[in-house]
This record gives sequence, C-alpha cells and structure tokens, in this order.
Amino acid sequence: GENVEQHPSTLSVQEGDSAVIKCTYSDSASNYFPWYKQELGKRPQLIIDIRSNVGEKKDQRIAVTLNKTAKHFSLHITETQPEDSAVYFCAAPIRSNTGKLIFGQGTTLQVKP
Amino acid sequence: DTEVTQTPKHLVMGMTNKKSLKCEQHMGHRAMYWYKQKAKKPPELMFVYSYEKLSINESVPSRFSPECPNSSLLNLHLHALQPEDSALYLCASSHTPGRLTDTQYFGPGTRLTVL
Repeated sequence: GENVEQHPSTLSVQEGDSAVIKCTYSDSASNYFPWYKQELGKRPQLIIDIRSNVGEKKDQRIAVTLNKTAKHFSLHITETQPEDSAVYFCAAPIRSNTGKLIFGQGTTLQVKP
Repeated sequence: DTEVTQTPKHLVMGMTNKKSLKCEQHMGHRAMYWYKQKAKKPPELMFVYSYEKLSINESVPSRFSPECPNSSLLNLHLHALQPEDSALYLCASSHTPGRLTDTQYFGPGTRLTVL
C-alpha cells in the first residue's frame, strides 16, 4: 500500500549545526510534499512545501529538495537554533481525488544550546 | 481570519458520556478533516468532508460520529468511548476538496481523556 517512510526518528544536533531529515514515498503520482513542525502540545504547522515541478525550494534557514526519480524528499535546516526543537512530519498525498495525506512517522529534533 | 479553531481545548469524559468536539474555520475552505493523534505519532486521518458531505470514513468505529452543519463548522460527536480513544483530536481544512496540492491547516486540537 501507499506509505511514507521518514528517517531518522530522532536527531540531536548542536546549535548552529545543520539538520537533515529524509522521506521516501511510494506513490509515483504524488505531486505535493509538505513538511509540518509540531512543538510540544501545539498544532502541526506547515513550514515549507514543494511541488513536483521543482527540485528545490528555500525559505531562509530551511530548504526542501525533491528527487522524483528516487521518490524521496528531504528537509534541510541550517544554523539550527534551540527553537527549532520539535517533531517534524513529512507528508505526501495518495493517488485519489480526496486530498488525503499520508504522514511520515515523525522526527524528533533536539537542538542543544 | 486565517485560523482553524477548536473547542474545547481539553475534555475528560467517562465511558458512558456523550460529548461533542467543535471545529470552525472562516477561510472559505470546502474540505475539512478530523485526525486522531497519539503521543509521538503522526496524525491519523479519521474523516474527510468535501463540500459539507462525508467523502472519507477511514473505518472509524461508530462511537465517533462526524457532522458538518455548514461550510464553516465541523463537529465530532462522541459516545461510549473507550480509554484507548484518549488522544489529541485535530481538525484541519483545505481550500478545494480533492486538490492534492492544497495546504491543510490544522486547528490546535482537543486533548481528550476517557476514564
């Protein structure tokens, strides 16, 4: 069945270092790949997304890259700060006319001061 | 208004109680969703409403009953829940049903505890 695999499940970095989270999807028809950040006790919030017609998108310290051939996409955070500590979820739509998203299992990022 | 709101923030109920969760958005979105989220897990889709009609039910037990009274409101009626139903219930909305490139915006959630 359709699924999204996300790695690593936990990631600990020193403040100022970079963090990379990778997701692999199974449905070759998927064409939209959002990343959500969820701080403890709060709602998931969209931080960046990419559509299948581009290979990379940047927004200040965060970027997402997409490799459609390999069916994987990655979140890159540079110059990490303690406030980047959160759980990050990738997602991809499944092949249907429903807008249904499948989420990865999440990555807990800890940025140590 | 660019937010999805949910009430209540917290809810504690017994297994024989009946309660309702409410969700509201005024962004003109015509797709609305209920998700269940357990600690340290991703949101798990329960229901999707498209143009106020139920379009997806992810085999959710009948003790959960969704309702979409109008294009801005989404309810989740709860009855005879089990302790394992304790979770964060998230509402979300997106602009056009079935358009897979539309962003889903989440509400803050209702933290439900079933005793």
